[in-house]
Amino acid sequence: DAGVTQSPTHLIKTRGQHVTLRCSPISGHKSVSWYQQVLGQGPQFIFQYYEKEERGRGNFPDRFSARQFPNYSSELNVNALLLGDSALYLCASSLNPTGSYEQYFGPGTRLTVT
Amino acid sequence: DQQVKQNSPSLSVQEGRISILNCDYTNSMFDYFLWYKKYPAEGPTFLISISSIKDKNEDGRFTVFLNKSAKHLSLHIVPSQPGDSAVYFCAASGTSGTYKYIFGTGTRLKVLA
Repeated sequence: DAGVTQSPTHLIKTRGQHVTLRCSPISGHKSVSWYQQVLGQGPQFIFQYYEKEERGRGNFPDRFSARQFPNYSSELNVNALLLGDSALYLCASSLNPTGSYEQYFGPGTRLTVT
Repeated sequence: DQQVKQNSPSLSVQEGRISILNCDYTNSMFDYFLWYKKYPAEGPTFLISISSIKDKNEDGRFTVFLNKSAKHLSLHIVPSQPGDSAVYFCAASGTSGTYKYIFGTGTRLKVLA
């Protein structure tokens, strides 16, 4: 079975631009979460979606938004990019959104903002 | 405020010996804990989890211990193998409310052949 897939793998953007990152969950998983990981830190929670509804939001500005589609895939959008948005963006899927289910991570999208 | 802490940024262990990675948390609402392993250029890989109703969970060479009163968990790897060399993250979540995982900053384990 395919794991969590993310696209693109790498991305270089300029300050002020916007970016869209994509994620396909493991087949059968209905919950998708997004995390940001900067160098030397653990992943930080951005959003969780379940059945196309936002179930949780981390401490990120409104420039960050996301959505989930009927096939449970998801997009993360970041507007007005800042240099500090440079990071590895991870998508994770799980069977359902409760905290007692393991989340399985994709390989991530490495975003560089110049 | 770092709710999940891994105070050892790195650890070196000889092949065949035990590796012990530690994690402390501050939020008493956390009741589910996980360990992930991460290789460079890959996403974190789930290793093992434990619910707060247990104090130990084993899976092959990996055992996680939870001490709720001390708000401390540890991951034991026995015997350690060179392929175990990676960054290990502990994560915590509550099973009610927002179901996000809170991650520690990671411990880089190096297993020496």
